[in-house]
Amino acid sequence: AQRVTQPEKLLSVFKGAPVELKCNYSYSGSPELFWYVQYSRQRLQLLLRHISRESIKGFTADLNKGETSFHLKKPFAQEEDSAMYYCALSRGSSNTGKLIFGQGTTLQVKP
Amino acid sequence: GAVVSQHPSWVICKSGTSVKIECRSLDFQATTMFWYRQFPKQSLMLMATSNEGSKATYEQGVEKDKFLINHASLTLSTLTVTSAHPEDSSFYICSGGRGTDTQYFGPGTRLTVL
Repeated sequence: AQRVTQPEKLLSVFKGAPVELKCNYSYSGSPELFWYVQYSRQRLQLLLRHISRESIKGFTADLNKGETSFHLKKPFAQEEDSAMYYCALSRGSSNTGKLIFGQGTTLQVKP
Repeated sequence: GAVVSQHPSWVICKSGTSVKIECRSLDFQATTMFWYRQFPKQSLMLMATSNEGSKATYEQGVEKDKFLINHASLTLSTLTVTSAHPEDSSFYICSGGRGTDTQYFGPGTRLTVL
């Protein structure tokens, strides 16, 4: 069964500290992985996807097929990074857009 | 970027009534839209795939007679919660894409059933 696991409900760090939001997945095929972010009182929006290999707002994520992980990292957290982060999996082109979400991790960046 | 809107943003209804939620893609055409449900402080759970011009496909455990989906045009999908009960109270979110995996999400509709 396809599953996305984010083990941390809450991650609290101080401004300037490194951040790593964990995401593990379970999928037998070739998944596409995404990170979505939801700022307070705003809609869910795409942060980054693994196939684009971009760095958005200083965040990066590497797909590790051996460990079935797609952890989100940022070297120096900013207060404006405080938000809810969701890791999501798409089952590829045959199910375009159909996303399975992890439970979400709240990132709290303290001043 | 692409914009998806939802209407209404908040609805309160009495138990036993039906409620319709609209999801519109404002600046793109979406042959497929998705409906999710989100409980407080929990993740999004995919409910169904809305296909323009054909029947929706529902995820396991989602009652299709309870949650009626109509995707009558390339820019509009509707979700009707029929004979709503308090346990249907939730946040309902739709998404649409432009033929790639990138999905654009609506702001959500909060349904409260009294």
